[in-house]
Amino acid sequence: SAVISQKPSRDICQRGTSLTIQCQVDSQVTMMFWYRQQPGQSLTLIATANQGSEATYESGFVIDKFPISRPNLTFSTLTVSNMSPEDSSIYLCSVDSGAGGQPQHFGDGTRLSIL
Amino acid sequence: GENVEQHPSTLSVQEGDSAVIKCTYSDSASNYFPWYKQELGKRPQLIIDIRSNVGEKKDQRIAVTLNKTAKHFSLHITETQPEDSAVYFCAALMDTGRRALTFGSGTRLQVQP
Repeated sequence: SAVISQKPSRDICQRGTSLTIQCQVDSQVTMMFWYRQQPGQSLTLIATANQGSEATYESGFVIDKFPISRPNLTFSTLTVSNMSPEDSSIYLCSVDSGAGGQPQHFGDGTRLSIL
Repeated sequence: GENVEQHPSTLSVQEGDSAVIKCTYSDSASNYFPWYKQELGKRPQLIIDIRSNVGEKKDQRIAVTLNKTAKHFSLHITETQPEDSAVYFCAALMDTGRRALTFGSGTRLQVQP
C-alpha cells in the first residue's frame, strides 16, 4: 500500500492565524481526500482533491476556510484559515489509487490545537 | 447522500470472548465496506473489508458479514485479546465516481484481561 506522510504531525496555533498541512504520497494516486476528526468523534470528509481540477467540498466546508491545492499526483495541501478553537481537531489525508478494488489508507494525521 | 449508523458506541468484553459491532447503511449503491481500527493517538488502520458481491470474509480472528438486502454489515472478533482494545469504525463507499468513505460513529472496544 502507498506510504503517506503528513506534515506537521502536530501544532499549536493562535486564533486568527492559518496553517498549511502537507500530504505526500510515495506513488501516484488519482484521488486524495482530507478528513477532519474532532476530539472523540468519527471522521468527516472535508473535500476531495483531484489533480488538475478544483477540490470538491462537502456540505459544511467551504474553500475560503479550507483551501486545498493538488499540484501533482503525489502531493496535496490543506490550509486551515482564520483558525478558532473549534478548529482543534486531527486532520487526516487519505489516498485512493483510482483503480477499482483498492482500499484507502490514511496518513498519520496532523493534530491541531488552537489557543 | 450515504448515511452509516454504527452500534454499540462502547463495548466491553472479557479476554477470550467474542465481540460484534454492527453497521447499517442507507445508499443501496454502496458496494465496498471497510473496517478501520484506531488506537489512541494513531491513524485509522484498515483491518478488513468486504465487497457487495461477497456475503462473508474472514481473516484469522476477524470476520465481516454483509447483508445487502437489509443493508447492514457486521464485524466479528473472536478470542479477543487486550491488544484488540481500540476504536473501530465501519465505512461505506460506492466504488465508482466520488469514492469518498462515509464513516460510522465508531465503537470503543475494551477487552478486559
